Amino acid sequence: EAQVTQNPRYLITVTGKKLTVTCSQNMNHEYMSWYRQDPGLGLRQIYYSMNVEVTDKGDVPEGYKVSRKEKRNFPLILESPSPNQTSLYFCASWRGGNTEAFFGQGTRLTVV
Amino acid sequence: DQQVKQNSPSLSVQEGRISILNCDYTNSMFDYFLWYKKYPAEGPTFLISISSIKDKNEDGRFTVFLNKSAKHLSLHIVPSQPGDSAVYFCAAPNTGNQFYFGTGTSLTVIP
Repeated sequence: EAQVTQNPRYLITVTGKKLTVTCSQNMNHEYMSWYRQDPGLGLRQIYYSMNVEVTDKGDVPEGYKVSRKEKRNFPLILESPSPNQTSLYFCASWRGGNTEAFFGQGTRLTVV
Repeated sequence: DQQVKQNSPSLSVQEGRISILNCDYTNSMFDYFLWYKKYPAEGPTFLISISSIKDKNEDGRFTVFLNKSAKHLSLHIVPSQPGDSAVYFCAAPNTGNQFYFGTGTSLTVIP
């Protein structure tokens, strides 16, 4: 089954404690991306990747890092989380061109 | 700068009637548009798309209309069903393969 898998689904952490949210896709897609969803702001892109070792900033990259060492995986790293990073995060992948993106189930992150 | 805009945060419709969700965009280079549906606690799922060479695309109860001169697209759901209650996002990829999403419209279909 074609899917994008994120882990964990829910995470509560404390300010400053480094964390990683994993994302894996099994569709051999070139493109992957991370979004955060906040009330009234829709889905805002954090980082995206065009291929292995090729990443670029989206609209809200501050406080986040990513890596793309393998085609299937695109982890999101918060080196020093802060309460304003409390949000719902989605990973997505797509083939590129005029095709649809596939989303993971989401990760609800709370930073206290 | 919001390149894809949904100006209606919410919409309520009676079951069986038509739901019309609207979306505007500013980037004239967009040539492909998508609608996604999102239920609580789930990721967005693809619903329907349209290429800029068309002005209409239909899939069952769902039809998307595109007005390029007005930079406007709309999603029509006929007839609306309670299971259609969800948040709907319009989206467009740019030539750099970044997806831009609107802020979403929460549709409630009242039984």
